[in-house]
Amino acid sequence: EPEVTQTPSHQVTQMGQEVILRCVPISNHLYFYWYRQILGQKVEFLVSFYNNEISEKSEIFDDQFSVERPDGSNFTLKIRSTKLEDSAMYFCASSPDRNNEKLFFGSGTQLSVL
Amino acid sequence: SQKIEQNSEALNIQEGKTATLTCNYTNYSPAYLQWYRQDPGRGPVFLLLIRENEKEKRKERLKVTFDTTLKQSLFHITASQPADSATYLCALGDQTGANNLFFGTGTRLTVIP
Repeated sequence: EPEVTQTPSHQVTQMGQEVILRCVPISNHLYFYWYRQILGQKVEFLVSFYNNEISEKSEIFDDQFSVERPDGSNFTLKIRSTKLEDSAMYFCASSPDRNNEKLFFGSGTQLSVL
Repeated sequence: SQKIEQNSEALNIQEGKTATLTCNYTNYSPAYLQWYRQDPGRGPVFLLLIRENEKEKRKERLKVTFDTTLKQSLFHITASQPADSATYLCALGDQTGANNLFFGTGTRLTVIP
């Protein structure tokens, strides 16, 4: 069964450094998402992406964050200058089309900012 | 802003019994509600979706109800098995946007053999 893949599974970085989290959504999907989950807390929406542009973003997704689909397969989340509070599990998700509300999640990247 | 509450952080039940998990919400009128399963260190896995005009949905041993008057969904696992032990998340969505989901904090279910 096709799945969303994320790399790396763990990322450790120093505060102030830039990180790029990578995702390969399911190949025929059109909608892409990033969510995050701080340890012990709920899964939170960050951003949705469709047709090479951001569809919606949450208050969390400030100027330090950006997303990109640099080619036909990858979908990346960049954090320009990481803060301690950015430490979380980051999940990428995709869905086939506008009318299919079911999201397929990757296994996540655990980001630790020191 | 919307608020989503799941009845308890943890629920322990005996194998073979029915587990019932609750999701309540306020300040929101979702077009649909979903239930996901999350295992430790893994991403959520979709289980069931129920729309605002539906009362009940079933899939194998799973049953979901949706009461838009009470603003509540119940999630049942019948004949529970130890393999059902996981965290179960409810998520609300609408169709005005790109189907972004708002998740509850989850209920950690443990099925005791």
